[in-house]
Amino acid sequence: TQLLEQSPQFLSIQEGENLTVYCNSSSVFSSLQWYRQEPGEGPVLLVTVVTGGEVKKLKRLTFQFGDARKDSSLHITAAQPGDTGLYLCAGASDNNNDMRFGAGTRLTVKP
Amino acid sequence: DSGVTQTPKHLITATGQRVTLRCSPRSGDLSVYWYQQSLDQGLQFLIQYYNGEERAKGNILERFSAQQFPDLHSELNLSSLELGDSALYFCASSLGSSSYNEQFFGPGTRLTVL
Repeated sequence: TQLLEQSPQFLSIQEGENLTVYCNSSSVFSSLQWYRQEPGEGPVLLVTVVTGGEVKKLKRLTFQFGDARKDSSLHITAAQPGDTGLYLCAGASDNNNDMRFGAGTRLTVKP
Repeated sequence: DSGVTQTPKHLITATGQRVTLRCSPRSGDLSVYWYQQSLDQGLQFLIQYYNGEERAKGNILERFSAQQFPDLHSELNLSSLELGDSALYFCASSLGSSSYNEQFFGPGTRLTVL
């Protein structure tokens, strides 16, 4: 059972468009991470957020952690074909040390 | 290149068999994590070791076991294999034991059970 729900499951857009993907849960997380995974490779960490309401920017990517620390969003501005990949969110709670992953959003950016 | 190495890259075997997957963490990292990724289940946490000791356990079957050796490399043993065990198995490492620590993933081992 996935504790983290990611939406949309698939997203196909044109180069230059903006997009937002979401990561939602009924559980509170002490930290939440976003990863990008390309075919045939392992996930690569993009960002870690730990404070409710926190916003972090990484070039064209903006990450937000919900005030209640139950949800997060990833916004990409002016998407490029190099942004294509599987975007995973992962959360850890105070009660246990294991990281729970969402099923991911598979993004395709067409040139 | 994350610095985490996994061998073998591909493994094809038959039902009922036993296999061992190997992982070498990044230099200096003390924690090793094992994950299973399949199409219908996503990325599932299996188990974590920190400096040779089991630290956290996730959805790991009793047929599966792991260990971390004094040189910090880790092995994941899968026995009595079933068709449903076919998946990508990832190892990740981090410096500390907390889930706050950044995890660096290896390239994975693709296991196919026929």
